[in-house]
Amino acid sequence: QKEVEQDPGPLSVPEGAIVSLNCTYSNSAFQYFMWYRQYSRKGPELLMYTYSSGNKEDGRFTAQVDKSSKYISLFIRDSQPSDSATYLCATSGGYQKVTFGTGTKLQVIP
Amino acid sequence: EAGVVQSPRYKIIEKKQPVAFWCNPISGHNTLYWYLQNLGQGPELLIRYENEEAVDDSQLPKDRFSAERLKGVDSTLKIQPAELGDSAVYLCASSLLPPGQGGYEQYFGPGTRLTVT
Repeated sequence: QKEVEQDPGPLSVPEGAIVSLNCTYSNSAFQYFMWYRQYSRKGPELLMYTYSSGNKEDGRFTAQVDKSSKYISLFIRDSQPSDSATYLCATSGGYQKVTFGTGTKLQVIP
Repeated sequence: EAGVVQSPRYKIIEKKQPVAFWCNPISGHNTLYWYLQNLGQGPELLIRYENEEAVDDSQLPKDRFSAERLKGVDSTLKIQPAELGDSAVYLCASSLLPPGQGGYEQYFGPGTRLTVT
């Protein structure tokens, strides 16, 4: 079992839709949770970073962590064609390395 | 502020040949990472440097891969000899602080896409 599981998609939605991206993890020691966005032929860029459980909002993006179920989510409101990319979840337990999911490919159709 | 710089962007070599990748991190970032990313997968850590010291190289295939970070700034990752299975994107990233001190905001370069034929 991988430490971080993520549905690879692809996920295709119409412009303006609310997008929900999800990951599960297995290591209860993980406390730091990140979402990265990666455009084609580019390096990942950090979108959101949260510690422990709870929600964090940044503009159209909301990151949610439920440590009891080991479930992390990223919501995108009013999705735009420019949001089309691969979204990678990532976790870490402190001094440990950051472990990435496989990424979910999102396409927002105009 | 300049981001993480990597070169070359693309490299095509024949198997058994050597290859080297170069990375210049963001100024002031003491922590540097090399990742490997296969198609459809997330980045996998190869090695992490704190200044010039390699503090996590457990995933680096040391029989053919080597890395160095002289003077704690630029870094070079080398493969010798390359194998067909080494075809992937090699990403360099840097962070201001190490993971244990809150350095989870990693900044990635564009990567070097290696094709071994």
